[in-house]
Amino acid sequence: KAGVTQTPRYLIKTRGQQVTLSCSPISGHRSVSWYQQTPGQGLQFLFEYFSETQRNKGNFPGRFSGRQFSNSRSEMNVSTLELGDSALYLCASSLATGLMDEQYFGPGTRLTVT
Amino acid sequence: GESVGLHLPTLSVQEGDNSIINCAYSNSASDYFIWYKQESGKGPQFIIDIRSNMDKRQGQRVTVLLNKTVKHLSLQIAATQPGDSAVYFCAENNTDTDKLIFGTGTRLQVFP
Repeated sequence: KAGVTQTPRYLIKTRGQQVTLSCSPISGHRSVSWYQQTPGQGLQFLFEYFSETQRNKGNFPGRFSGRQFSNSRSEMNVSTLELGDSALYLCASSLATGLMDEQYFGPGTRLTVT
Repeated sequence: GESVGLHLPTLSVQEGDNSIINCAYSNSASDYFIWYKQESGKGPQFIIDIRSNMDKRQGQRVTVLLNKTVKHLSLQIAATQPGDSAVYFCAENNTDTDKLIFGTGTRLQVFP
């Protein structure tokens, strides 16, 4: 069974631009969560989608948004990029919602904002 | 590979020795805990979990201990191997918020 895939793997953007990252969960998984990983803040929860609905949200500004499609694939968007948005963005999928269901992480998208 | 943390605490162990990685969690209401392993260039990988009604759980070569009194979690790796070299994160889940809160991570280096 293929794992979680994320595209692109690397991205360089300039301040003020916007970016869309994509995540394809493991086949059959309906929940997708997004995390931001930085050396200073570690791994921080962004949001979780289940059945095309945002089920939970972390403490990030409204510039960070996401959505989930009917095939469970998910995208996250960051508008008006800031230097501090440079990070590894990870998505994780699980069969169902609820964090006691094991999450499988993708390799991440490394975003660099210049 | 990508760096997951430039200033992580580091544990260096000799191959074959046992490793103990510690984690202090913050919320006494957290009732589910997970250990993840992250290798360079990869996303975190689930290792083992434990619920708050337990104080010990064993897997293959790994044991997690939970001390709720002092809000402390540890991961023990038996007979540490070079392939165990990675960054290890603990995570806690509070069912009130249903969000995973990750610790800062510990880098494990295994030398021959």
